[in-house]
Amino acid sequence: QKEVEQDPGPLSVPEGAIVSLNCTYSNSAFQYFMWYRQYSRKGPELLMYTYSSGNKEDGRFTAQVDKSSKYISLFIRDSQPSDSATYLCAMMDTNAGKSTFGDGTTLTVKP
Amino acid sequence: NAGVTQTPKFQVLKTGQSMTLQCAQDMNHEYMSWYRQDPGMGLRLIHYSVGAGITDQGEVPNGYNVSRSTTEDFPLRLLSAAPSQTSVYFCASSYGPGGRGYTFGSGTRLTVV
Repeated sequence: QKEVEQDPGPLSVPEGAIVSLNCTYSNSAFQYFMWYRQYSRKGPELLMYTYSSGNKEDGRFTAQVDKSSKYISLFIRDSQPSDSATYLCAMMDTNAGKSTFGDGTTLTVKP
Repeated sequence: NAGVTQTPKFQVLKTGQSMTLQCAQDMNHEYMSWYRQDPGMGLRLIHYSVGAGITDQGEVPNGYNVSRSTTEDFPLRLLSAAPSQTSVYFCASSYGPGGRGYTFGSGTRLTVV
């Protein structure tokens, strides 16, 4: 079983919809939680990171971490066609010094 | 422009050939790493380095070598290319081990025939 499981998708929504992207994990030592966005044929780019549990908001994006359930989410409000990309969750155990990535969820926002 | 630069962007190799994928960053990041990305398998860590002169293996190190002689450069060497090494390779860097996120290069698309 993988340490990080990500909802596989693909996900297709109309413009303006609220999108929820989710990951679960099994390693309770993970302390940092990150979301990356990857456009086709490009490298991943960091969207947000969160330390420990709680919410973090950045514009239309909200990252949520529930360590008790080992569950993280990324919410996108008022989704736009430019949000169409693959979204990767990643988690890090500081002691191990390495990040573990989910397999990604591909999102398409239709005009 | 500041960032992570990977060369080449595309490469076709024959089975058994060797080559080096180049990675350079100008952000004075201590931590650098190499990932491969295959369809349906996400990003898998090949090798990483926490500073000049220090390297360690990741999840899938077999068939690859690395060295870190300077802070800026972290080349990845394929010793004897195999079709199973056909993939997209990404180099990434960060100040620490990545809890606050990596900066990724644009990738090298490698095909081994």
